Amino acid sequence: KAGVTQTPRYLIKTRGQQVTLSCSPISGHRSVSWYQQTPGQGLQFLFEYFSETQRNKGNFPGRFSGRQFSNSRSEMNVSTLELGDSALYLCASSSRGAGDNEQFFGPGTRLTVL
Amino acid sequence: GEDVEQSLFLSVREGDSSVINCTYTDSSSTYLYWYKQEPGAGLQLLTYIFSNMDMKQDQRLTVLLNKKDKHLSLRIADTQTGDSAIYFCAEKRTVQAGTALIFGKGTTLSVSS
Repeated sequence: KAGVTQTPRYLIKTRGQQVTLSCSPISGHRSVSWYQQTPGQGLQFLFEYFSETQRNKGNFPGRFSGRQFSNSRSEMNVSTLELGDSALYLCASSSRGAGDNEQFFGPGTRLTVL
Repeated sequence: GEDVEQSLFLSVREGDSSVINCTYTDSSSTYLYWYKQEPGAGLQLLTYIFSNMDMKQDQRLTVLLNKKDKHLSLRIADTQTGDSAIYFCAEKRTVQAGTALIFGKGTTLSVSS
């Protein structure tokens, strides 16, 4: 079974631009969560999607948004990029979301904002 | 506080046992996890434990849970140089209509030969 895939793996953007990151969960998994990893703040929860619905969202500004498609693939979007948005963005999938014990992570997208 | 706490660094010699400690805050957390992250990679799920258990063993890994003290530990037996990585402890919390993993800052394990 293929693991969680994330594209692109690396991105360089400038301040003020917007960016879209993509995540394909493990086949059969319906829940996708996103996390931001920075040296200063560590790993922080962004949002969770299950069956195309956002179930919860972490403490991030409205510039961070996401969606999930009917095939469970998910995208997250960051608008009006700031230098502080430079981070590794990780996606995790699980089969049933809240009722599932195991979350499997992808390799991440490394976003650099100049 | 709301943080999951871990010591930042641990250095051991190859063949020794490593013990990584973690304290968490939410007594209602149902599951607690250990993840491993190697340089440039995502997070690898190592093991997890349900909160009504006090120990779980999986090959070289042993997880101990003290629910009263909200203390979790990961023991790696016969530590190898390939075990050098950052280890994250996480608790699963209910957030709004779903759940989220709340992570510690990670413990960097350095294994010398």
